[in-house]
Amino acid sequence: GNSVTQMEGPVTLSEEAFLTINCTYTATGYPSLFWYVQYPGEGLQLLLKATKADDKGSNKGFEATYRKETTSFHLEKGSVQVSDSAVYFCALFTGNQFYFGTGTSLTVIP
Amino acid sequence: NAGVTQTPKFQVLKTGQSMTLQCAQDMNHEYMSWYRQDPGMGLRLIHYSVGAGITDQGEVPNGYNVSRSTTEDFPLRLLSAAPSQTSVYFCASSYLNNSPLHFGNGTRLTVT
Repeated sequence: GNSVTQMEGPVTLSEEAFLTINCTYTATGYPSLFWYVQYPGEGLQLLLKATKADDKGSNKGFEATYRKETTSFHLEKGSVQVSDSAVYFCALFTGNQFYFGTGTSLTVIP
Repeated sequence: NAGVTQTPKFQVLKTGQSMTLQCAQDMNHEYMSWYRQDPGMGLRLIHYSVGAGITDQGEVPNGYNVSRSTTEDFPLRLLSAAPSQTSVYFCASSYLNNSPLHFGNGTRLTVT
């Protein structure tokens, strides 16, 4: 079946630290991959996406590369800020359905 | 541009009561969907629709009904509320073909 596995949280980092949130997937066909971010009390917002193997999605300093050989889509940022504190969800789209990971809570401390 | 609008924002029901969660989008998106978000379980798909008159079940459809009479609206009906349906519900829409989802701000439902 189709599924997404995300690294467990919560994650706490100091400002300007390097961030990696791991995401691996299992899917039939050729899925598109997404990272969404959720701030408290709000719905999810698209952070970045990649639609085929070796594509790199990027936005606001965040990056993720679609790795078909390792079925991964890890999220990275070189220098996190306090304003990056949120919950991050990895997701895939295939067969007219989105499948989400369980989310990783990130807290950045000054 | 309102995007995806969900109402109500909060609701408390007693076991056995029924209600409808409203969802409307003004982006002419073909695809609409409902999710529930529970701690430690991420978002799980309840029902989705790829166009007016077409609906299908997701991962956790039991206890919920949907209809899609117009492109804009996709209401979610709880037929007989149960405490296990206590959750935060999100409606989301997109164009078809790999487009990202646009989410509403959610409805927090408590069933006592």
